[in-house]
Amino acid sequence: AQTVTQSQPEMSVQEAETVTLSCTYDTSENNYYLFWYKQPPSRQMILVIRQEAYKQQNATENRFSVNFQKAAKSFSLKISDSQLGDTAMYFCAFTNSGGSNYKLTFGKGTLLTVNP
Amino acid sequence: DAGVTQSPTHLIKTRGQQVTLRCSPKSGHDTVSWYQQALGQGPQFIFQYYEEEERQRGNFPDRFSGHQFPNYSSELNVNALLLGDSALYLCASSYTAGVGTGELFFGEGSRLTVL
Repeated sequence: AQTVTQSQPEMSVQEAETVTLSCTYDTSENNYYLFWYKQPPSRQMILVIRQEAYKQQNATENRFSVNFQKAAKSFSLKISDSQLGDTAMYFCAFTNSGGSNYKLTFGKGTLLTVNP
Repeated sequence: DAGVTQSPTHLIKTRGQQVTLRCSPKSGHDTVSWYQQALGQGPQFIFQYYEEEERQRGNFPDRFSGHQFPNYSSELNVNALLLGDSALYLCASSYTAGVGTGELFFGEGSRLTVL
C-alpha cells in the first residue's frame, strides 16, 4: 500500500520569504503522479503543482516549485516570495498512473502560516 | 463553468440516523470520488464512481454506500451513524474517458456532525 508522510504539522514564514514543505512517500510503483494541494480556510482543495514520476525535471508553477527525488521517494514544495494568501493547509498526495483511477493517498498535511 | 458543487454544506445528525450527501461534478467530468476528512487529518478515499458503478473502494464499512446518476452527479449515503463519522466529506471529480493528468477537482465539502 502507498503511504504519504508529512513530518511538519505546522510551519510559519514571514511575508516575502521562502519556505519549504517536506513530503516522503512509499510505493512499489514505478510510474505515478505526485501532487501538492492547498486547502485554505474556505475549505476548497485546489491543486498547487503536479509532478509525473517519469519526468526528471522538477515541476514549477510561478512561485511554487518542487524538489522531486525519486530514489529517495521525497517530494518537497518550495514557496518563494510568500504571500499572506498562501496561508493554508498543504497536503502532499500520490496516485499511481495506471487505469486513470485518480485515487489519491494524502498525507496528514502541513499548516502554513504566512506572517506580515 | 461551474466547479464541483456539494450539498448540504453543514448538517447535524444523531447516532443511528442516516445521511445523504450530494455532489455535482465539474462540467465535462464523468467520474466522482468521495473522501472523508476528519479534523486535523488528510482526506481518506471512500469510493469512486464511473459509469454509474462503484469502480474502487477504500477501507470503509458497508454502512457507506453511494450512487452515480446518468448526469454524473453522485450521492454518498451513510447508515447507522457513529460519532466517529463526524467529518468533512469531500467530493472530487475527474475525467476518465481520455488521457488523464491525475488531477482532481474538489468541492467545498459537507460538514457532518454526529451527536
